Amino acid sequence: GAGVSQSPSNKVTEKGKDVELRCDPISGHTALYWYRQSLGQGLEFLIYFQGNSAPDKSGLPSDRFSAERTGGSVSTLTIQRTQQEDSAVYLCASSPGGGREQYFGPGTRLTVT
Amino acid sequence: QKEVEQNSGPLSVPEGAIASLNCTYSDRGSQSFFWYRQYSGKSPELIMFIYSNGDKEDGRFTAQLNKASQYVSLLIRDSQPSDSATYLCAVRYGGSQGNLIFGKGTKLSVKP
Repeated sequence: GAGVSQSPSNKVTEKGKDVELRCDPISGHTALYWYRQSLGQGLEFLIYFQGNSAPDKSGLPSDRFSAERTGGSVSTLTIQRTQQEDSAVYLCASSPGGGREQYFGPGTRLTVT
Repeated sequence: QKEVEQNSGPLSVPEGAIASLNCTYSDRGSQSFFWYRQYSGKSPELIMFIYSNGDKEDGRFTAQLNKASQYVSLLIRDSQPSDSATYLCAVRYGGSQGNLIFGKGTKLSVKP
């Protein structure tokens, strides 16, 4: 079946602009996660959605970052007033349930110039 | 502080050998354990998960869990150059609502 998809695959933006990154999870998966991975670094947790529960936003690095998940499916991660340090690969993962195995999308490579 | 520790490597093994990757975690209440493989420039790919003490085998891969010692390992038998990648260990901590804590990964290099 179809895996997790993300769009765009690459995004180049100017410092100060806003960007939106999209994630389509595996159908039927109730949990959705966003991570960030800088070059050569580990995964940095950003936010977690589980069903209709309030999201766990504890990993968001600043108030410039926000995410929503509509209808329990598609999720959008928004970064406002981008900074150069926001340059990274943004990964989305979905899971059949909280705490279970996660399946990752291909990622969005964000470059802020 | 909830931590998942892995040796960053690189771990170098000859083709055909057994590669042994180790991971330790800090919370005794941890419930679920996962191994991911990440090729350079690609996203992590799930290899195995294990919930109970002991061994779990899937093809050339064996995950071993020892909750008393708080470690989980991944053995790769008959290592191939195509196994060269970074291997990430992930742990669901007790009381977690669903987050996994990822280690920083061990880089494996299998030499032909």
